[in-house]
Amino acid sequence: DAGITQSPRHKVTETGTPVTLRCHQTENHRYMYWYRQDPGHGLRLIHYSYGVKDTDKGEVSDGYSVSRSKTEDFLLTLESATSSQTSVYFCAISAGRGQTYEQYFGPGTRLTVT
Amino acid sequence: AQKITQTQPGMFVQEKEAVTLDCTYDTSDQSYGLFWYKQPSSGEMIFLIYQGSYDEQNATEGRYSLNFQKARKSANLVISASQLGDSAMYFCAMREALLYNQGGKLIFGQGTELSVKP
Repeated sequence: DAGITQSPRHKVTETGTPVTLRCHQTENHRYMYWYRQDPGHGLRLIHYSYGVKDTDKGEVSDGYSVSRSKTEDFLLTLESATSSQTSVYFCAISAGRGQTYEQYFGPGTRLTVT
Repeated sequence: AQKITQTQPGMFVQEKEAVTLDCTYDTSDQSYGLFWYKQPSSGEMIFLIYQGSYDEQNATEGRYSLNFQKARKSANLVISASQLGDSAMYFCAMREALLYNQGGKLIFGQGTELSVKP
């Protein structure tokens, strides 16, 4: 258990509204990630963070922004939700074991944009 | 560009038999890592096994082993003695990483759905 929680776990929202998803970790990991999962695409990276206030874009970052003001929290914001952003969103952290660093995932947030 | 290919959308295996899930990758980097994750119907992503590109031996974790063939750029997952609880979606992923780089991004394949028959 990597101590990752996501909130909310499920959300239904309307097109055009802003939405913020929260990822919280309890073990002071430096790297955090947001992925989305869609049928036929596997998981794709949206944004990631390599420290407080240090973030960068992934391959599907359009329409999303992130913030990390504390080590333990990584927020994903959909500035104006669209139906194409209906997806399952996973947060992840990178945790070390010897010389390797595996990524561990939170439980996911299912977002539906109507 | 990095790419992960899983060519088996779905597979069936008889309980107690072994099964191999295929994964091929493409990268121009010399240092990288390969991962397998399991996603049961409940939706969580469960880390199974990791193989570094410089590791000389194939990784093993209990009933899971990774058949790493660097020259062929393949990283197949072998599950021995399949159990009903192994029924799930399995994802192969790759991370470009320097040896001590904590923060490499993962590129995922599209997954293989494994069904274990009693």
